[in-house]
Amino acid sequence: AQSVTQLDSQVPVFEEAPVELRCNYSSSVSVYLFWYVQYPNQGLQLLLKYLSGSTLVKGINGFEAEFNKSQTSFHLRKPSVHISDTAEYFCAVSVGYGGSQGNLIFGKGTKLSVKP
Amino acid sequence: ETGVTQSPTHLIKTRGQQVTLRCSSQSGHNTVSWYQQALGQGPQFIFQYYREEENGRGNFPPRFSGLQFPNYSSELNVNALELDDSALYLCASSFRLADNNEQFFGPGTRLTVL
Repeated sequence: AQSVTQLDSQVPVFEEAPVELRCNYSSSVSVYLFWYVQYPNQGLQLLLKYLSGSTLVKGINGFEAEFNKSQTSFHLRKPSVHISDTAEYFCAVSVGYGGSQGNLIFGKGTKLSVKP
Repeated sequence: ETGVTQSPTHLIKTRGQQVTLRCSSQSGHNTVSWYQQALGQGPQFIFQYYREEENGRGNFPPRFSGLQFPNYSSELNVNALELDDSALYLCASSFRLADNNEQFFGPGTRLTVL
């Protein structure tokens, strides 16, 4: 069975500082990896995804993530955060092959709080 | 192109009642998935529908059931509500044959069971 661990439940950071949100997964098969963002009282928005190919993935709003198969990690990074990045971030995995839509398994989330 | 919409936005029910939540998929999408997000937790997969048939189910009891209609809109029904059913219910639509596995989420329905 697949599982996702987000190592930090809360990450406070000052504006314009870099940030890394950590995500580890476990799976015995190949997975697809995702990061979603959830602003207060809203649904989930896809930030970026890893399906195959280059292990460094760039997403929206200046975020990027690196897939590390040996460490089973998919950490999310941003070199300089803004107040508007304050939100909850979810790492997710799915198992899907050739167009099959697997269900998403989410971590418990990391609340990013950006302070002025 | 309209995104995924859900109704109602908020709902209050009492224990033992039944509830129906609705979701309209994004245009062109033929697959819908439902998730339950309890307070302080990540979303948990309830089930998925593809072309009006259930296509996978998470660890939820049978009192959670669903429907997908020919226009690909969907309903989530929960019978015999329990206090622990209080959560944000998210609907996500996708195009099954696409290779990108991306699911587009609606804003959710906040269900409170008293």
